[in-house]
Amino acid sequence: QSMLTQPPSVSAAPGQRVTLSCSGSNSNIGNNLVSWYQQLPGAAPRLLIYENNQRPSGIPDRFSGSRSGTSATLGITGLQTGDEADYYCGTWDSSLSAPVFGGGTKLTVL
Amino acid sequence: EVQLLEAGGRLGTAGGSLRLSCAASGFTFRSYAMSWVRQTPGKALEWVSTITGSSANTYYTDSVKGRFSISRDNSKDILFLQMNNLRAEDTAVYYCAIVSGLYDYFEYWGQGTLVTVSS
Repeated sequence: QSMLTQPPSVSAAPGQRVTLSCSGSNSNIGNNLVSWYQQLPGAAPRLLIYENNQRPSGIPDRFSGSRSGTSATLGITGLQTGDEADYYCGTWDSSLSAPVFGGGTKLTVL
Repeated sequence: EVQLLEAGGRLGTAGGSLRLSCAASGFTFRSYAMSWVRQTPGKALEWVSTITGSSANTYYTDSVKGRFSISRDNSKDILFLQMNNLRAEDTAVYYCAIVSGLYDYFEYWGQGTLVTVSS
């Protein structure tokens, strides 16, 4: 069972905005930085967001991240069919002294 | 361009051993900490191990401590994961990754190599 909780699936229409949630505790999200990963079908995960809201070079500004308390959110605007993927949140867990991940959310763009 | 190419995944038996490798290119390998992250058949991601750039420090998730060993050869830009006393629950796709920040996020990932352990 993952330390971070994500909804198993979310769906939205092309062009819309969607938010994906990630819930944790004070031992992880509440006191550490959050990252987000995109995994397209058949591909390896790719870093989308690090340090709560920073985008690596090459990641479009349609993707944004935020953290509040023990939860984090990934926002995607202007949804495209190519955004259909699994999305994972990650952070450090101070109790485990280890990085941890959420169980992932499958985003369907229909 | 950063490239990470894993190899060594195959069908193994419970109690047996496997050695994974990850060939790195496109960056100064010795300057970066590296990790192994695995993805189970149920698609959960799990951090396995991290090694600092100089190999001075290594870290493991509890479930592999005493069984897995991470190492690197900075003269050849290769990362290794020696997996001993394999268990069925080690079945996963294993990714090598550049770990950044406070060892809390994974900046680049390889394409993965599949390890299947039969009991």
